[in-house]
Amino acid sequence: DAGVIQSPRHEVTEMGQEVTLRCKPISGHDYLFWYRQTMMRGLELLIYFNNNVPIDDSGMPEDRFSAKMPNASFSTLKIQPSEPRDSAVYFCASGGDYSNQPQHFGDGTRLSIL
Amino acid sequence: SQQGEEDPQALSIQEGENATMNCSYKTSINNLQWYRQNSGRGLVHLILIRSNEREKHSGRLRVTLDTSKKSSSLLITASRAADTASYFCATDVAGTYKYIFGTGTRLKVLA
Repeated sequence: DAGVIQSPRHEVTEMGQEVTLRCKPISGHDYLFWYRQTMMRGLELLIYFNNNVPIDDSGMPEDRFSAKMPNASFSTLKIQPSEPRDSAVYFCASGGDYSNQPQHFGDGTRLSIL
Repeated sequence: SQQGEEDPQALSIQEGENATMNCSYKTSINNLQWYRQNSGRGLVHLILIRSNEREKHSGRLRVTLDTSKKSSSLLITASRAADTASYFCATDVAGTYKYIFGTGTRLKVLA
C-alpha cells in the first residue's frame, strides 16, 4: 500500500500565479479530505469528498480556492490567483466508509507564495 | 472555533518518563481520535475511542475519555526519543464525517 501521495512536495511561486496541488488517495477509500496547516490557525479542513462528490466545502477560504475529484484516484486543489497569505502546508487525507475510520494523510505540499 | 484544544502546548521530558497530554472539546461527539505528526510529515493515526468507552490501550499508549467533562488524555508510557513529535486530538462533528483537529501538543523526549 503506497499510502496517500501528494505532489508536489514543495512549491514556491509568485503571487498572482495559479497553483495546483495534486492528491492520489488510497485505493478503495471513499472519502477524501483537503486540509491546510499553519502556525496561526493549526489544521483546518477545507473540503471533503465522498465517492468523488464534494460534501462540505464550508472551509474553503474564498472563491480563489477550488477543488475537484474527477475520479476515485485523483483530486486537485487549485488556488487562482495565489496570495502570500495562502502560504501553508496543504494535506490530503483519505478514509474508509465509516466516520470511525482513521484518516490516512499524505506528507503534504509546502506552499510558499512570494 | 476549533473543537479541540490540547494542553500543554509543549512538553519536554527525559527518555523513560511518561508523557501525558490532554484534550478538551466543546460539543458532543461520537468518536475521538489521536494522531501523531513528525516534523515535515503528515499525521499518523494512533488510536480511536468511542463516546461509550472510557479507556483504551494500544501498546505504550493509553487514552481516556470523560464525556461529562468533554476531555480526553493521551498517556505515553516509557517514552523514547522516537516519540518526539506533535500530538493532536480530533473530534467528529455529529452527523458528518468531518473531524476537527485540536491545536496540538509538541512533545520532545530527550535521550
